Amino acid sequence: NAGVTQTPKFQVLKTGQSMTLQCAQDMNHNSMYWYRQDPGMGLRLIYYSASEGTTDKGEVPNGYNVSRLNKREFSLRLESAAPSQTSVYFCASSAPGLAVDEQFFGPGTRLTVL
Amino acid sequence: EDQVTQSPEALRLQEGESSSLNCSYTVSGLRGLFWYRQDPGKGPEFLFTLYSAGEEKEKERLKATLTKKESFLHITAPKPEDSATYLCAVPNAGGTSYGKLTFGQGTILTVHP
Repeated sequence: NAGVTQTPKFQVLKTGQSMTLQCAQDMNHNSMYWYRQDPGMGLRLIYYSASEGTTDKGEVPNGYNVSRLNKREFSLRLESAAPSQTSVYFCASSAPGLAVDEQFFGPGTRLTVL
Repeated sequence: EDQVTQSPEALRLQEGESSSLNCSYTVSGLRGLFWYRQDPGKGPEFLFTLYSAGEEKEKERLKATLTKKESFLHITAPKPEDSATYLCAVPNAGGTSYGKLTFGQGTILTVHP
C-alpha cells in the first residue's frame, strides 16, 4: 500500500496563476483533509471531506477550493495564487467508524508563489 | 476555542540523555490526544493515540502519558535517529467522527551523538 500520495512534490507559481494539488489514498478511508504548514503557525486545516460527496471549510479556507473526486481522491485548487499561499501543503486521510480517528499524512507539496 | 501548546519549542540532548516533551491542551470534553513525529521534508507520522487520563503507551524509546490537562512524551536514552519534530494534536469538540484536529506548534528535538 502506498498510503497517502501527493503530486506534485514541488511547485513554483507566479502571482495570479492557478494550480491544482492532487491527493490520493489507498486505505479505503472515508475522510480526507488538506492542511498547510507554515513556520511558527503549525498545521492548519484548510478544507476537509468527511465522506465522498461532502466538503467543508476548515480554519483557513480563503483562496482555496476543493473537490472530492471519489473516495480515493481529494484535490485542492488555488484559483489565483498569492505570495501568502507560499507554504507546505499536506493531505491526510482517516478511517471511518471510530469516535476518534488518527489521520495519516502524505509527503507534502512545497509551493512557492512569487 | 481549542488550544494546544507544546514546550519546549526546541530541545537539544546528548545521546542517552533522557527527557520529556510537554503538550498542554484546553478543549471541551477531550476525546483523545495524538502524537506525531515529523522528519524534515516529510509528512507527520502517527505515533500514539491516548484516550483517557492515566493512559500510557510505549514504542521503543518513547512513552506517552496523559493527564486531564496535559500529555508528556518521555524519551528514554535517545539516539540521534530520534531527532525530529514531535507534534501533538487533539480532536476539536463537536462530537463528530471525522476528527478535525487542532495541532500544537511542535517541539524540535535534536539528539547529538
